[in-house]
Amino acid sequence: DAKTTQPNSMESNEEEPVHLPCNHSTISGTDYIHWYRQLPSQGPEYVIHGLTSNVNNRMASLAIAEDRKSSTLILHRATLRDAAVYYCIPREMDSSYKLIFGSGTRLLVRP
Amino acid sequence: DSGVTQTPKHLITATGQRVTLRCSPRSGDLSVYWYQQSLDQGLQFLIHYYNGEERAKGNILERFSAQQFPDLHSELNLSSLELGDSALYFCASSSLAGISTDTQYFGPGTRLTVL
Repeated sequence: DAKTTQPNSMESNEEEPVHLPCNHSTISGTDYIHWYRQLPSQGPEYVIHGLTSNVNNRMASLAIAEDRKSSTLILHRATLRDAAVYYCIPREMDSSYKLIFGSGTRLLVRP
Repeated sequence: DSGVTQTPKHLITATGQRVTLRCSPRSGDLSVYWYQQSLDQGLQFLIHYYNGEERAKGNILERFSAQQFPDLHSELNLSSLELGDSALYFCASSSLAGISTDTQYFGPGTRLTVL
């Protein structure tokens, strides 16, 4: 399994952009990078995924380094509802595509 | 609301007992995954079923077993319960298996407390 390194915690002010980094230096060339988040007292929820190029959706943007050894999840304007634990997950190519969660980054959003 | 339902929401039982957790996937989803979240181990993959067949096993104890029924709902059976089995158990579903871009949708979880 590809190992990931994320900061334990980060803080942001409401309505400011947040950049959540992830190192995944052992990722293989075919592994997609997925991000999930877990809001307090809820199950994890999908945020975004990508392979090589940058990706945008209504929740966030994903910037992937050219060598694919790191990626950054970008929340363009953090809201209080974005306070959660964010997990970066390289999705390995196997018969199951199970999610292997690391310890994630706990994001605190200040009003 | 992810469309995945789990019952019960809370379960309190004693050591040595057996419990069954139930998961109903989103309509049309063929894959069901089970995960355990404890304070010391974080979120860990337990087992994956696709259309009734076991696809992958993770850190699932021999005292635990699961199955997926023809109507695609799944049950996780935990027996000879120990204090350390106290955790949140999540079920997730996805439409396919073997696709690296497939999204997993998680249920609200079952909180198991073993006294």
